[in-house]
Amino acid sequence: GQQLNQSPQSMFIQEGEDVSMNCTSSSIFNTWLWYKQDPGEGPVLLIALYKAGELTSNGRLTAQFGITRKDSFLNISASIPSDVGIYFCAGQGPSGGSNYKLTFGKGTLLTVNP
Amino acid sequence: DVKVTQSSRYLVKRTGEKVFLECVQDMDHENMFWYRQDPGLGLRLIYFSYDVKMKEKGDIPEGYSVSREKKERFSLILESASTNQTSMYLCASTMGDLYGYTFGSGTRLTVV
Repeated sequence: GQQLNQSPQSMFIQEGEDVSMNCTSSSIFNTWLWYKQDPGEGPVLLIALYKAGELTSNGRLTAQFGITRKDSFLNISASIPSDVGIYFCAGQGPSGGSNYKLTFGKGTLLTVNP
Repeated sequence: DVKVTQSSRYLVKRTGEKVFLECVQDMDHENMFWYRQDPGLGLRLIYFSYDVKMKEKGDIPEGYSVSREKKERFSLILESASTNQTSMYLCASTMGDLYGYTFGSGTRLTVV
């Protein structure tokens, strides 16, 4: 199936630092999504991007849909301890069968030291 | 808020047992999915369903089956559990209109 390359695999940062992570694909996607998974819970949607070049913010989070439609990045500014978790990128459509099927990256494990 | 509820947070089963993992969503979503999550491997799709009684294989369907008799419920079945099926299992549903998935809290299954 389709593959997403998400990097970095893990990050250890100090509280207050900014964070950047990204996903790349060999395939084009119509939608890019970013999820966060808290320990022991299911992933929760943070940001959805629907158009190439789109830049969207949600509080301290900013994400962009790459112009080529093959990549996306997520930035977190001024990190706080509750930002700890696993962040997943996901791409949706147009190829690979159903429009509603998501392809996920392997995740970025974020640790924030107070 | 949409809720996706997985019946068990933790399960311990013996090798060879038949295991049922249940998932229920309360927002009339047509599309439901089962993933397993393993360290370093991310989320891998096992099966999905677009409608009642319809199912399609995902990327790793071997050793699993599913049942969707009612729209709100999507069950994952391990016909004969094996130790390599020890994992976190996540259920998700979506309206299918580009709003992404809503996930359940997961079931951590240990097969001994």
